[in-house]
Amino acid sequence: EPEVTQTPSHQVTQMGQEVILRCVPISNHLYFYWYRQILGQKVEFLVSFYNNEISEKSEIFDDQFSVERPDGSNFTLKIRSTKLEDSAMYFCASSEDRGHEKLFFGSGTQLSVL
Amino acid sequence: KQEVTQIPAALSVPEGENLVLNCSFTDSAIYNLQWFRQDPGKGLTSLLLIQSSQREQTSGRLNASLDKSSGRSTLYIAASQPGDSATYLCAVTSTSGTYKYIFGTGTRLKVLA
Repeated sequence: EPEVTQTPSHQVTQMGQEVILRCVPISNHLYFYWYRQILGQKVEFLVSFYNNEISEKSEIFDDQFSVERPDGSNFTLKIRSTKLEDSAMYFCASSEDRGHEKLFFGSGTQLSVL
Repeated sequence: KQEVTQIPAALSVPEGENLVLNCSFTDSAIYNLQWFRQDPGKGLTSLLLIQSSQREQTSGRLNASLDKSSGRSTLYIAASQPGDSATYLCAVTSTSGTYKYIFGTGTRLKVLA
């Protein structure tokens, strides 16, 4: 079965550093998402992306965050200046259709900000 | 603002039992509801998707029902197995044109051999 691939699986960074989390969505999918889960808390929506632009973002997704689809396969999340509270598991997801269909999630990137 | 709650938070049962996990949501104007499984340190796997016009969906030993008017969904797992041990999450999207899923708090299930 096709799957969403995320790299790296773990990322440790110093506060204030920039990080880029990478994802390869399923090839025929059109909608892409980032979610995150702080340890012990709910999975939270960050951003959705369609047709090379952001379709929706949450209040968490401030100016420190950006997303990009630099080529036909990769989808990235950049955090410009990491804070301690950005430590979380970040999940990429994709779906085939208009955002209300079955979501396929990657296995996540565990980000630790020291 | 949509809130999704799941009860119980944790459940431990002997192998072979049938069990029910509950999910409730505050705004009945939903578009879809999905049940996911999350294994420790892993991603989420979609188990069942129920569209708002549907009442239930079945896959193997899993059956999910949806009652929009009362803001509830249940996930029924028949003849539970140790391999079913995981956290089960429900999530909803609204009808207001949003693309995001709002997730519940999860039920941590342990099936004892």
